[in-house]
Amino acid sequence: EAGVTQFPSHSVIEKGQTVTLRCDPISGHDNLYWYRRVMGKEIKFLLHFVKESKQDESGMPNNRFLAERTGGTYSTLKVQPAELEDSGVYFCASSQYGGPTTGELFFGEGSRLTVL
Amino acid sequence: SQKIEQNSEALNIQEGKTATLTCNYTNYSPAYLQWYRQDPGRGPVFLLLIRENEKEKRKERLKVTFDTTLKQSLFHITASQPADSATYLCALDTLNSGGYQKVTFGTGTKLQVIP
Repeated sequence: EAGVTQFPSHSVIEKGQTVTLRCDPISGHDNLYWYRRVMGKEIKFLLHFVKESKQDESGMPNNRFLAERTGGTYSTLKVQPAELEDSGVYFCASSQYGGPTTGELFFGEGSRLTVL
Repeated sequence: SQKIEQNSEALNIQEGKTATLTCNYTNYSPAYLQWYRQDPGRGPVFLLLIRENEKEKRKERLKVTFDTTLKQSLFHITASQPADSATYLCALDTLNSGGYQKVTFGTGTKLQVIP
């Protein structure tokens, strides 16, 4: 069974440009999470989808970030316009559970974003 | 404010010894606590989950303890091997206002096992 896949693995863009990151969760996982790790800091929560609905977007830094999950399958995270401080590694994770029960998160390998 | 603190410095130990990593938290009430392993350039990989009413959990050479009074978890790797070298992440599993799981990570501890 395929794991969580993320694309691209690395993106280098100029400040002010737009980047779209994609995540394909494990098939059948309703819960999809985006996290970000900036240099030297902890992995920080950005948002959580349950199927196609945003359940919690409390970690989104500002309105330059837009996440979508069309049809409850794959998700995209768009940064527009990108700023230098957006550089980091963006991780996607999925899980089967997410309500009153809990379960492990399955992570992708991450998308490294470098903004010059 | 809420904090999850792990040993900020790298931990170096000799092969065959037991590695003990610490996770302390403040202003959280986790229902569960998870530990993950992360290798350079890779995503975190789940290792163990322990519930708030469990004191200890074991899996092969791994052992996790969870003390909700001290607000602390200890993660042990016995008979450590160079292949155990990685960054280990503590993660608190709480429920948000909507009743859904939210997993919050500590900064991680880098473990180096020396042959």
